[in-house]
Amino acid sequence: GAVVSQHPSWVICKSGTSVKIECRSLDFQATTMFWYRQFPKQSLMLMATSNEGSKATYEQGVEKDKFLINHASLTLSTLTVTSAHPEDSSFYICSARKTGYTEAFFGQGTRLTVV
Amino acid sequence: KQEVTQIPAALSVPEGENLVLNCSFTDSAIYNLQWFRQDPGKGLTSLLLIQSSQREQTSGRLNASLDKSSGRSTLYIAASQPGDSATYLCAASSNTPLVFGKGTRLSVIA
Repeated sequence: GAVVSQHPSWVICKSGTSVKIECRSLDFQATTMFWYRQFPKQSLMLMATSNEGSKATYEQGVEKDKFLINHASLTLSTLTVTSAHPEDSSFYICSARKTGYTEAFFGQGTRLTVV
Repeated sequence: KQEVTQIPAALSVPEGENLVLNCSFTDSAIYNLQWFRQDPGKGLTSLLLIQSSQREQTSGRLNASLDKSSGRSTLYIAASQPGDSATYLCAASSNTPLVFGKGTRLSVIA
């Protein structure tokens, strides 16, 4: 159990367009999901914490109007990169925490390339 | 604010060697500490999770220890193999989301 599925695994988009990334917990409920970004040869940096049914909490320096997060159900959170630019190219990884537990489970990541 | 540091940043060893990766954290009020493996361009694979009440966890050739009082964890890999080559990340969990170290990039040479 405890599988997190992230889709798509990679995407290439044109500058100025928007891209949506989905994160699903397949076999458990997750009231809290996390979105991380990883630049080449860097560690994972938390972007935002997503809570089911409420607004996401963004880390300092992360533009909430650019990175739209929706956590509409206990098994799905989405990250939309709006008006993407080449500097948004990165590896985005989601994580889900089982309700009532402290262990986090990770999706396989999404490689975003903006051209 | 929790900070996680991993030493060394990179390590290259011949096949068969035993090795230790180090992780330190500044806030000892953690729920657990996790070790992950990340292959180039891939997501994270969870290796071991040590709860705050535990001292160590073992899985196959891997052994992770936790010393909350000193803010340290180690990942011991026995009889290393070329397939162990990857980046190893440790992450501390408290009442905030996981905080990651920058990782140790391991190369095991055949």
